Amino acid sequence: QKEVEQNSGPLSVPEGAIASLNCTYSDRGSQSFFWYRQYSGKSPELIMFIYSNGDKEDGRFTAQLNKASQYVSLLIRDSQPSDSATYLCAVISNFGNEKLTFGTGTRLTIIP
Amino acid sequence: DAGVTQSPTHLIKTRGQQVTLRCSPKSGHDTVSWYQQALGQGPQFIFQYYEEEERQRGNFPDRFSGHQFPNYSSELNVNALLLGDSALYLCASSFGQGAYEQYFGPGTRLTVT
Repeated sequence: QKEVEQNSGPLSVPEGAIASLNCTYSDRGSQSFFWYRQYSGKSPELIMFIYSNGDKEDGRFTAQLNKASQYVSLLIRDSQPSDSATYLCAVISNFGNEKLTFGTGTRLTIIP
Repeated sequence: DAGVTQSPTHLIKTRGQQVTLRCSPKSGHDTVSWYQQALGQGPQFIFQYYEEEERQRGNFPDRFSGHQFPNYSSELNVNALLLGDSALYLCASSFGQGAYEQYFGPGTRLTVT
């Protein structure tokens, strides 16, 4: 079982709709969760992080964390063509161990 | 606010050679982590430097080594290059121990022929 799993996609969403990206992780003790956006040929850009169960909103982005289900998601509201990218989910397992463990990413395409 | 910088942008090396990649952290950051990203994969953790010492290491052979300088900048060295070392090498910076938000530089694309 992979430590962090994501559906590789591609996920196609019409412009203006809500894009929903999902991630599961295997280490129940994981503490910190991150979403990075990576455009083709570029480096990952941190867009959201969440540490506590529940929802965290930032503009059009909402991160959702459910530690009991070992599940974290990212919602993108009012999707724009500029949101087309690969979204990487990353996890830090425990305090004192700050290495990021990444999933393989989900490729998102917003259709105009 | 200066972000994370890396040099060089691209590099082509021959199998068996050695390479050094450089990273300057974001202003105010003191911790540098290095990752390797193969095509179509998520980044893989190589190691992390804090206070000029290697704090953690991922599952990479000893051919991969690093250094952090007093000004917090860092180098990644890879010896005896293999074709499989071809990848995007990413540097990420953060502030202090227990600070989990890591910000990536633009990366160095290494091609081994």
